[in-house]
Amino acid sequence: DTAVSQTPKYLVTQMGNDKSIKCEQNLGHDTMYWYKQDSKKFLKIMFSYNNKELIINETVPNRFSPKSPDKAHLNLHINSLELGDSAVYFCASSQDGTRVPGELFFGEGSRLTVL
Amino acid sequence: KQEVTQIPAALSVPEGENLVLNCSFTDSAIYNLQWFRQDPGKGLTSLLLIQSSQREQTSGRLNASLDKSSGRSTLYIAASQPGDSATYLCAVLSGGSYIPTFGRGTSLIVHP
Repeated sequence: DTAVSQTPKYLVTQMGNDKSIKCEQNLGHDTMYWYKQDSKKFLKIMFSYNNKELIINETVPNRFSPKSPDKAHLNLHINSLELGDSAVYFCASSQDGTRVPGELFFGEGSRLTVL
Repeated sequence: KQEVTQIPAALSVPEGENLVLNCSFTDSAIYNLQWFRQDPGKGLTSLLLIQSSQREQTSGRLNASLDKSSGRSTLYIAASQPGDSATYLCAVLSGGSYIPTFGRGTSLIVHP
């Protein structure tokens, strides 16, 4: 069983469209994250979310919004896509860091290309 | 704000060499430090996790050490193999926001 799974793996779309990337973890973790990996391979945090708190990186445009229907899912919704949004987006999860900071597990990534 | 630096940025070595990859961080108040490898076009695979109370962790040919006071961790790879070729990333989990911060990685090529 895949611990952290993301769909779709590849996404090609036009500027101005709205798209979503889904993430699910079956590890029973309390905290989930979204990271963006740019063309230079640098991983930058976008959001961190557990059942208590959403932490947003202030540099993330408000066109990006995380949506969590339950503890095992954290989806990423992007409005009005721009060329600069092209990147690989990674979902990750860990045990609640407020008590027992744990090992971080990553999904395989979703490569978004905006034309 | 935690900053993580990895040196060298790239490394190319012949098979069989023992390697040391470095990771340094600016804020020593950390909970843990984790090493990953990333193959081209793939996700991140966890290699080793060191809690703040630990000095080192070992897995097979890999050994990671942690010196919180100096803000450093090293990943030692023994008897390198072509299959070790990948990008190696370290991530530091600090107090406060509890969000892991990544370095920019070391790109390793081991040639036969």
